[in-house]
Order: sequence, then structure tokens, then C-alpha cells
Amino acid sequence: AAGVIQSPRHLIKEKRETATLKCYPIPRHDTVYWYQQGPGQDPQFLISFYEKMQSDKGSIPDRFSAQQFSDYHSELNMSSLELGDSALYFCASSLGRDTRDTIYFGEGSWLTVV
Amino acid sequence: AQKVTQAQTEISVVEKEDVTLDCVYETRDTTYYLFWYKQPPSGELVFLIRRNSFDEQNEISGRYSWNFQKSTSSFNFTITASQVVDSAVYFCALSEADGATNKLIFGTGTLLAVQP
Repeated sequence: AAGVIQSPRHLIKEKRETATLKCYPIPRHDTVYWYQQGPGQDPQFLISFYEKMQSDKGSIPDRFSAQQFSDYHSELNMSSLELGDSALYFCASSLGRDTRDTIYFGEGSWLTVV
Repeated sequence: AQKVTQAQTEISVVEKEDVTLDCVYETRDTTYYLFWYKQPPSGELVFLIRRNSFDEQNEISGRYSWNFQKSTSSFNFTITASQVVDSAVYFCALSEADGATNKLIFGTGTLLAVQP
């Protein structure tokens, strides 16, 4: 079965640079989520989109922005990168945005800021 | 506020031993969902199970079983006859729906190391 596809899988950037992560949800899934997992930490919710509109916002820094496009894929843009942004970034998707809907995660994108 | 507690930071067992991972949650919602995810060393988060708050039946899937008890707000996960491939970080999560969308609150995870 098709899963959530994330690219790139690994990314190395320097401080103050910009990075963009892409996410392709499971086909027919209309809700996309972004999570950030720091080293040794649990995943933290950043932001979500339902039907191409932002639906909820978590602990996403102002330097980060995201959107969901007409084909339901999503991009997370991170600017003025800091060392502390080094983390594993997960995209996830669900069919619907209700608590009944299971959230499926991609394999993650490893961002290293040097 | 919703919260998930996994008190066991790290567990080490020898292959073929049974192991139980504990998960305790807090929520004021009457309807909620609980999840377990597995994160192997490669990093991906693999969905294992979802349980809704109205279904307290235990579930067994192969070597995995889950014990949900609302009275103690616990959703424990047992692996029977553990194998080296079970080595991973296991996260318990609670589905929170107080905003405009569904989002997961994760516990801090339990690192399971299965030694050959």
C-alpha cells in the first residue's frame, strides 16, 4: 500500500540558510500534519492542513511556514536555520481530521544544521 | 490538559522473554483514541494499533497484545517471545481533538533493547 512520501530524506544546511521539505500524503488523504522530533525526544506537533487550509498550529517557530497545495502535497519551509532546528521532521496524513482517523507517518526527513 | 506518561525510559530483555511497556494517560475528553507507534533505529514511525475510549477489549495481534483499562487510564503493550527485530523506541500517543483538527500527544517513548 502507498505510504506517506517525504523528500529529501537527509538534508544538511548551514546556519541562517533556508530549507524546504516536501510531503506527499497517502492517496485520498485530505489532512496533512508536520511533526518535529529532536534528538532523544518525542515528536512534537507543528502544524496541520485540511483540504488545503491550515487547520491547527502547534509549536511551529515563526521562521517556519507551510502550505498544502491543490494536489494535497505539502511543503514545510524553514528559514534562518538555527543549530536547534536539527531534528527529524515527520509528515503524516489521515483520511479526515477527526479523532477517529488514524494518522500515518512518513519515514521522516533528517535535517542537520551546521 | 492531555498528557501521556511512559515511565520506562529504557528496557533491556533477552530474546524470547516477554516484555510489557507501560502507558498512562490523562484526558478530560470522554471520547479519545490511544495509539502505539514503533520507531526502529532507521527512524520511521510505524503505526501499530489504535484503540477508542469506548472499547476496553484487549487485543492480540501475533506476538503483540494490548491491555486497555479506563479505570486506571492505562494502555499497556506486551510483546511475547521478544525478538531482536523488536528493538526500537515505542511511543504511546493520545489523540486530542480540542482544536480544529486531530493531533497526537506522544509520550516520551520507551527504548526496548532485545539482546540475542
